[in-house]
Amino acid sequence: EVQVVQSGAQVKKPGESLKISCELSGYTFTNYWVGWVRQMPGKGLEWMGIIYPADSETKYSPSFQGHVTFSADKSVSTAYLHLSSLQPSDTAMYYCARQGPYYDFGHIDYWGQGTLVTVSS
Amino acid sequence: QSALTQPASVSGSPGQSITISCTGTSSDVAGYKYVSWYQQYPGKAPKLMIYDVNNRPSGVSNRFSGSKSGNTASLTISGLQAEDEADYYCSSYTSSSTLVFGGGTKLTVL
Repeated sequence: EVQVVQSGAQVKKPGESLKISCELSGYTFTNYWVGWVRQMPGKGLEWMGIIYPADSETKYSPSFQGHVTFSADKSVSTAYLHLSSLQPSDTAMYYCARQGPYYDFGHIDYWGQGTLVTVSS
Repeated sequence: QSALTQPASVSGSPGQSITISCTGTSSDVAGYKYVSWYQQYPGKAPKLMIYDVNNRPSGVSNRFSGSKSGNTASLTISGLQAEDEADYYCSSYTSSSTLVFGGGTKLTVL
């Protein structure tokens, strides 16, 4: 059974940095892309990008390029989302998800429970 | 890239059928078979309902079906039930090797 488990909620101050972890299990971690999705309060889903854990290849949405960084640790089957220079507008739920094998990442089949990030002074 | 266009809300009575549209461009919906649909209840993570335009994952009711014509994809829910009341999002692969979501549609079961 595929499972996606994210780290807990975080409260940060403007200008601080943040790292969210996402442990994926129940399949071969290196064979599937891992994606990140943002959902601001009361708003829709926004695709942030994906990372391929086998070689850490990444694809970023233009809307998030330069503000976020993805990484992965194959030894613990865990992906990470790094956010720097946080602003109140970064307050959102962040979802980690499995997004298909290398040549077929057109959909997201398993989602984490979400990590709520609050940025406030 | 711009979000795909969905109606903000749709509604239907129990037992009826409803259709939610998802309009994109030749660079996303019209150009690829990779259109998917997600159901999200308040406070919960999204759930995959349809992938590759018209395929259902194991465990998803056959009351849910998908289709595509040109740059518009559609999700149809037949035999509407109270439990179907949720937000629905479409997504598509794009020519930039990214994914883009629609703005979401709130389904109300009257």
